[in-house]
Amino acid sequence: DAGVTQSPTHLIKTRGQQVTLRCSPKSGHDTVSWYQQALGQGPQFIFQYYEEEERQRGNFPDRFSGHQFPNYSSELNVNALLLGDSALYLCASSLDGTIDEQYFGPGTRLTVT
Amino acid sequence: DAKTTQPPSMDCAEGRAANLPCNHSTISGNEYVYWYRQIHSQGPQYIIHGLKNNETNEMASLIITEDRKSSTLILPHATLRDTAVYYCIVRVAGSGYALNFGKGTSLLVTP
Repeated sequence: DAGVTQSPTHLIKTRGQQVTLRCSPKSGHDTVSWYQQALGQGPQFIFQYYEEEERQRGNFPDRFSGHQFPNYSSELNVNALLLGDSALYLCASSLDGTIDEQYFGPGTRLTVT
Repeated sequence: DAKTTQPPSMDCAEGRAANLPCNHSTISGNEYVYWYRQIHSQGPQYIIHGLKNNETNEMASLIITEDRKSSTLILPHATLRDTAVYYCIVRVAGSGYALNFGKGTSLLVTP
C-alpha cells in the first residue's frame, strides 16, 4: 500500500456534466501529479501541483483544472465532459516537486455516457 | 526524454525467470532507465532504476548493456502476482515533471 488515496473509486457521468476527483497524497509528500489512462494505453500526464500552484501541464485542454489545498491534498476538475474523457484517472504523490520517487494511487474510473 | 521500444506482450511460466527487454538507442549520457509496473486495476508501481551499472533490489534486477542502448528487467522467479504491464522509461533523474509512459509490455505469468 503506497498510501495515496483517491475518491471516488468509480463514477458515471453524462456528457456535458462536470466532475471533481479527489486525491490525498502519501503521508509526508507535498507534490501531486494527475494522469489520465485510457483503456489499453499508458498513463498520460495532465498536470502537477506543488506549493498549491500548477507547475506544469501536459497536452490537455482548459476543461481540465485542478487545485491543491494547504494539507497537500488535491482535486481534479473536468468540465463539459466528453465521451473521450472516459478513463482511469491516477493521482501520484512525491516530495519537494521531484518525481524520482512517485507513488500512485489506485485511480478513479470515470465513465461518460 | 529518450524514446523507448518494448514488445507488446510476453508470456512466462511460473517459477521461471521473466526477462523483459527495452530498447532506448537515443539515450543520453545523463538519462536513467526506470521500470514501473501496473497490475490490473491498480496504479503504477516503481520497480527499479539505473544509469549504467547493473542494479538489483528485492523485486528485480536491471541489466543495462555497455553502450546503454538497451536494457533488460529480470524477475528471477516469476509468480502469478507478477502478471502486469511493465513500463520502461528513460529520463534524467531529478528533473522533469512527468513520467512519459508508453504502452509497455503486458507480461502474463502462467501456472
